[in-house]
Amino acid sequence: SQQGEEDPQALSIQEGENATMNCSYKTSINNLQWYRQNSGRGLVHLILIRSNEREKHSGRLRVTLDTSKKSSSLLITASRAADTASYFCATVALYSSASKIIFGSGTRLSIRP
Amino acid sequence: DSGVTQTPKHLITATGQRVTLRCSPRSGDLSVYWYQQSLDQGLQFLIQYYNGEERAKGNILERFSAQQFPDLHSELNLSSLELGDSALYFCASSGDRLPNTEAFFGQGTRLTVV
Repeated sequence: SQQGEEDPQALSIQEGENATMNCSYKTSINNLQWYRQNSGRGLVHLILIRSNEREKHSGRLRVTLDTSKKSSSLLITASRAADTASYFCATVALYSSASKIIFGSGTRLSIRP
Repeated sequence: DSGVTQTPKHLITATGQRVTLRCSPRSGDLSVYWYQQSLDQGLQFLIQYYNGEERAKGNILERFSAQQFPDLHSELNLSSLELGDSALYFCASSGDRLPNTEAFFGQGTRLTVV
């Protein structure tokens, strides 16, 4: 089963608006990562946040992590048509000798021009 | 370009057949991950190798096997193929044994079993 679950499954917003996607996970983590996937193509790493961090920024991206709630959010500000893609959170379990990166089911983001 | 190369890009084969998917990681990356992405199952972790050794195993079927060679390229072998094996298969690489840094994904191999 998936470690992470994204919410919502699909999101459609107007260009220029902010998009927020949430991720919940089940076990304690070493870090949480967000990836983006354009239709049928490979995943591109966006940002990594470690378990001892609460917030991280990269350009128009803002990621928060709440380990007490086992949740993370990805905020894309001032969205653009080119941001249309699927977004996945991925977790690496804590204290695991097996270094799996487990992906959630993803959020499909559509930006309306 | 992520630096990870997967071949072939597309593969169409019949049920019962065997195929080999190939992955060349980024230069210097020791870890290789394989994932299967299908419409109804999302992105499923299959297996990870680090410097030639298997490090982690996910939901990989017994009909599937993988290996990483001394030059660090990896192959995923899929045998006795079934219609349900049709999916995108991704390879990713990273420099660390534990993924404390980002993983770089190839463009995938789209496998269609007919």
